[in-house]
Amino acid sequence: GQQLNQSPQSMFIQEGEDVSMNCTSSSIFNTWLWYKQDPGEGPVLLIALYKAGELTSNGRLTAQFGITRKDSFLNISASIPSDVGIYFCAGQYYGGSQGNLIFGKGTKLSVKP
Amino acid sequence: KAGVTQTPRYLIKTRGQQVTLSCSPISGHRSVSWYQQTPGQGLQFLFEYFSETQRNKGNFPGRFSGRQFSNSRSEMNVSTLELGDSALYLCASSIRDNRDTQYFGPGTRLTVL
Repeated sequence: GQQLNQSPQSMFIQEGEDVSMNCTSSSIFNTWLWYKQDPGEGPVLLIALYKAGELTSNGRLTAQFGITRKDSFLNISASIPSDVGIYFCAGQYYGGSQGNLIFGKGTKLSVKP
Repeated sequence: KAGVTQTPRYLIKTRGQQVTLSCSPISGHRSVSWYQQTPGQGLQFLFEYFSETQRNKGNFPGRFSGRQFSNSRSEMNVSTLELGDSALYLCASSIRDNRDTQYFGPGTRLTVL
């Protein structure tokens, strides 16, 4: 089945640093999504990307939909302690027996004050 | 607008029992999808319901089933529980179909002893 490779698996950074994570796939997706999940909670949508090449910002977060439609990255600028959590990328396609949303394994972000 | 709600939040069952989880989508959302999240496998798609019909199904055994009611609320049932069914079960709703952005509930943490 389809799989997303998300990297890095974990990051331990200093407050104020910029963060970058990415997802790649061998398959093409129609939409790329980035979610953040806090312990014991469901994923919360951060950014949705709908078009190849699209670059979208949400506050300190910036994400891009790769031109090949097989990859996406998420950048967080000037990280703060509340950025701590697990970030998931998800590729969305239309139809198929696996269902339409395929998730990466997540990037666990730790921020040192 | 209220978000996706799931009940119960926590559940402990023993092997062989069955369990029913409930999900109320965002008002106006008609599509409900269910996911299983485990540390080993990550987030995996179970099934999607729209207009009381199962529209997509993931690669899970028949012990996992669901249904949707006319008010778009959905239930998921797992019969003959196994230890490996211990997981966070997440429900996500979207407006119309699987091409729309999905919003997640907080999940139900199921522990099978």
